[in-house]
Amino acid sequence: QVQLVESGGGVVQPGRSLRLSCAASGFTFSSYSMHWVRQTPGKGLQWVAVITHDASYKNEADSVKGRFTISRDNSRNTLYLQMNSLRAEDTAVYFCAPHSGGRFEEFHLDYWGQGTLVTVSS
Amino acid sequence: QSVLTQPPSVSAAPGQKVTISCSGSSSNIGNNYVSWYQQLPGTAPKVLIYDNNKRPSGIPDRFSGSKSGTSATLGITGLQTGDEADYYCGTWDSSLSAGVFGGGTKLTVL
Repeated sequence: QVQLVESGGGVVQPGRSLRLSCAASGFTFSSYSMHWVRQTPGKGLQWVAVITHDASYKNEADSVKGRFTISRDNSRNTLYLQMNSLRAEDTAVYFCAPHSGGRFEEFHLDYWGQGTLVTVSS
Repeated sequence: QSVLTQPPSVSAAPGQKVTISCSGSSSNIGNNYVSWYQQLPGTAPKVLIYDNNKRPSGIPDRFSGSKSGTSATLGITGLQTGDEADYYCGTWDSSLSAGVFGGGTKLTVL
């Protein structure tokens, strides 16, 4: 079955960096675009970034553009999110999810990890 | 402020029906597919509806989805106390080249 295990979260001071990982199994990771989505405590879902199956296309939300970078290693079935210049408003649970539709316009996320909590605080 | 607009809360009695609306624009709902997610406390979101009105296997037909223009609706019939959760709509925004979600709707089954 599909398994997604996020890791790398923790408490970090503002301005510092953190790298999140998402270990995927149970599906052909190298065939799927992947997303990062975050959820601030007690708040809603916010899309963070997407990367195509072969990393030929990436995009990040405007709120993190220039600070966060999505990447992947298909040989390790692992998705990454490099987060630099962290701010208090980046505090959230970060989820990874494979893109379950075809084109991006067919956006739906059928499988989610359990998430990893990032807390940005001095 | 979310790109998609949902009511913050809805409520209904057990056995009744409820609808949750999701309003967007031509760059997102108007030209792309909508999905709906249920999130129980302390758990990851779970897809209920995709491609506007399709249900993944295992999702009961009490849950339904529809779309008209730049708005979408999730319907839940035969409400159960176990349906108490937060519900989110999501879609792709072609102008932003980004996924977008609604702010979420808390369903209370009275």
